[in-house]
Amino acid sequence: DTAVSQTPKYLVTQMGNDKSIKCEQNLGHDTMYWYKQDSKKFLKIMFSYNNKELIINETVPNRFSPKSPDKAHLNLHINSLELGDSAVYFCASSHLTALAGVTSDTQYFGPGTRLTVL
Amino acid sequence: LAKTTQPISMDSYEGQEVNITCSHNNIATNDYITWYQQFPSQGPRFIIQGYKTKVTNEVASLFIPADRKSSTLSLPRVSLSDTAVYYCLVASSGGYQKVTFGTGTKLQVIP
Repeated sequence: DTAVSQTPKYLVTQMGNDKSIKCEQNLGHDTMYWYKQDSKKFLKIMFSYNNKELIINETVPNRFSPKSPDKAHLNLHINSLELGDSAVYFCASSHLTALAGVTSDTQYFGPGTRLTVL
Repeated sequence: LAKTTQPISMDSYEGQEVNITCSHNNIATNDYITWYQQFPSQGPRFIIQGYKTKVTNEVASLFIPADRKSSTLSLPRVSLSDTAVYYCLVASSGGYQKVTFGTGTKLQVIP
């Protein structure tokens, strides 16, 4: 069974269009994330939700709007797509565990969605 | 967040042990260390995590010296399928933190 799944896997679209990427996790985790990995392979966090509430919102254009209908789903909607939005978008979920007296967070990533804007 | 520094790339022959060292000189008392592995066209995958001394699992070992200013990921007897990018991360305890991925170390295993 897939732990963190994303749809679609590939998305090719024209500049100016609006598109959505869906993410679902069946791990029972409370926290979910969206990351962007650009052509240089840098992986940057965009958003994080904990129990459907936004807890991390990095400097991301407001054309990007995450939505969490429940704690197992975190979708990403992108308006007015631009060429620079082309990248691979990863969804992740995490849980807290005890680690030698501290509390650690382990993230589980989805397979990614390769977005190409033409 | 503690900044991490790791080699950009490494080559190793199949069957050898590979050690990748990550520097994190300004690690804080409540920070812990996590390593992820990423294959091409896949999401990062958790490998191992530690706070101090040595941690071992079925995939790798993590060595953390007493001052915790560095950590070393050890992969025993690598195979071609271990060719990937390995990321070292330092994060703070106690909640859901913004995790910053660095450039990672691209490991190429040679037959």
